[in-house]
Amino acid sequence: EDQVTQSPEALRLQEGESSSLNCSYTVSGLRGLFWYRQDPGKGPEFLFTLYSAGEEKEKERLKATLTKKESFLHITAPKPEDSATYLCAVPGYSSASKIIFGSGTRLSIRP
Amino acid sequence: SAVISQKPSRDICQRGTSLTIQCQVDSQVTMMFWYRQQPGQSLTLIATANQGSEATYESGFVIDKFPISRPNLTFSTLTVSNMSPEDSSIYLCSVTGTGGVTGELFFGEGSRLTVL
Repeated sequence: EDQVTQSPEALRLQEGESSSLNCSYTVSGLRGLFWYRQDPGKGPEFLFTLYSAGEEKEKERLKATLTKKESFLHITAPKPEDSATYLCAVPGYSSASKIIFGSGTRLSIRP
Repeated sequence: SAVISQKPSRDICQRGTSLTIQCQVDSQVTMMFWYRQQPGQSLTLIATANQGSEATYESGFVIDKFPISRPNLTFSTLTVSNMSPEDSSIYLCSVTGTGGVTGELFFGEGSRLTVL
């Protein structure tokens, strides 16, 4: 069964303190790994798609990387506005239109 | 991109009643997806709604409990029937992007239901 596991469940950082979020996956033939950001009371917002091991994508202070077993979302010198829940997701084996989400990492950045 | 409006944004409902959630998209889309996000949990796909055909439900979700309508390419409704406190969740409507980016979904802001 396709599965996505994220860690840590929650992470509190000081402003400017860099760190990484982890997403490990078990899927039958990876056809992409996706990162989303979700603010409280909002729907998730798409950030990145990574297609193959070794690929990297960047957006402002965020950089997503992918290996054959996991993905990392690196946050460099975060600001309070980066506080959100970050979700990792993969397409389901039975149907690529079915997106399977991880449980997310709640990131809190203190000023 | 796509702009998605959901109604209601939140509601408090009594056990045994039903509630219909509306989802309006600002462009024509083939597939619309309904997700559930239970408190402190991630998103779970309920069903995929295609215009002109019956919705396709995921394991654990049935049409009698979550009937879906898709009358046109910009609108869908999800009804949560005979509600119990376990149905207290955020229900989210989403669509795929038109830019061809794999995995890019656009979401509404969700409908937060509390069942007493």
